[in-house]
Amino acid sequence: EPEVTQTPSHQVTQMGQEVILRCVPISNHLYFYWYRQILGQKVEFLVSFYNNEISEKSEIFDDQFSVERPDGSNFTLKIRSTKLEDSAMYFCASSQEGIVTDTQYFGPGTRLTVL
Amino acid sequence: AQSVTQPDIHITVSEGASLELRCNYSYGATPYLFWYVQSPGQGLQLLLKYFSGDTLVQGIKGFEAEFKRSQSSFNLRKPSVHWSDAAEYFCAGFSGGYNKLIFGAGTRLAVHP
Repeated sequence: EPEVTQTPSHQVTQMGQEVILRCVPISNHLYFYWYRQILGQKVEFLVSFYNNEISEKSEIFDDQFSVERPDGSNFTLKIRSTKLEDSAMYFCASSQEGIVTDTQYFGPGTRLTVL
Repeated sequence: AQSVTQPDIHITVSEGASLELRCNYSYGATPYLFWYVQSPGQGLQLLLKYFSGDTLVQGIKGFEAEFKRSQSSFNLRKPSVHWSDAAEYFCAGFSGGYNKLIFGAGTRLAVHP
């Protein structure tokens, strides 16, 4: 069964450093998402992406964040200058269509630790 | 504001016992509701989803959920729990034309042998 993959599984970085989290969505999917879960809190939507553009973003997704589909398979989340509060589990998801009735398939997550 | 609430943070059941995990939603329009499960080291796996029609929906791994509009609930049930069901369970939903999921806080299920 096709699945969403994410690398690395765990990333440790120093405050102020840039990080790039990588995701490979399911190959025939067109819509891509990032969510995050701070320890002990809810999974929160960050951004959705379609046709090489952001289709929706949350208040969390400020200028420090960016997303990119650099090639036909990868989907990345970049945090320009990490803060302590960026420490969280980051989940990538993809769906074939962007409609509400379509299932979003999630990857296993990348745990980001900012020191 | 749209929200999804899972009142129980942790639940422990004995293997073979029945299970019910609670989920309440707050939406103005018809909600689209989901249950996901996360096992350690794994991604969020969809168990089942509700869009419309029958209020009892069947999912994978023997799970089912019942949508009750009068109670704003979408509780997940399983008649007989297996040790492999130990995981974290998330209720989620969205409404209208949005395709971003709103998650509950999750319920961690432990299963005693």
